[in-house]
Amino acid sequence: NAGVTQTPKFQVLKTGQSMTLQCAQDMNHEYMSWYRQDPGMGLRLIHYSVGAGITDQGEVPNGYNVSRSTTEDFPLRLLSAAPSQTSVYFCASSLDRSGETQYFGPGTRLLVL
Amino acid sequence: AQSVAQPEDQVNVAEGNPLTVKCTYSVSGNPYLFWYVQYPNRGLQFLLKYITGDNLVKGSYGFEAEFNKSQTSFHLKKPSALVSDSALYFCAVRDLNTGGFKTIFGAGTRLFVKA
Repeated sequence: NAGVTQTPKFQVLKTGQSMTLQCAQDMNHEYMSWYRQDPGMGLRLIHYSVGAGITDQGEVPNGYNVSRSTTEDFPLRLLSAAPSQTSVYFCASSLDRSGETQYFGPGTRLLVL
Repeated sequence: AQSVAQPEDQVNVAEGNPLTVKCTYSVSGNPYLFWYVQYPNRGLQFLLKYITGDNLVKGSYGFEAEFNKSQTSFHLKKPSALVSDSALYFCAVRDLNTGGFKTIFGAGTRLFVKA
């Protein structure tokens, strides 16, 4: 199994540009989530999904959209990039919502100029 | 509100000495608690978790953690630190009030193990 994969690894955007961060998992996990990691703030939940066709907002959803058309894929879209969205983004998945461990992707480092 | 606190930004310990990385939490009801480790330029890796049962939980790489309900703490420990343990450690709690969907992470503690 490849686990959780993310592309791209690194991206530079100009303010106002849009882009999609890709996330895929091959473990047949129902639960997937997107986090951003900023220095001194740990990981903050952006959006999450409990299954195909079902998504919900986390702590910091503004400026981001998600969709879940398949169990495997959970892309994160930045509609109009802002410098405040400069961060490292992690996708994670777990088998279900309860006590199961989350598996994290390697991350995407995003710089918005 | 649910929260997780890691009171130390950084912990320094000599190789071979015991280490402790502190975590306290605030949730309503019974928490599911986790420790993750992050090495440079990598995603987070699971170390251990407490769901129910024995308060002392053993995990990967010789780490263990003790759940203390009265002190609302879940400190990470290792009897003998290795230089290779140097990394960023995150404590996390699953918020059961939202059906367990949301995980709340602490700010992280950087561990330096000196040879």
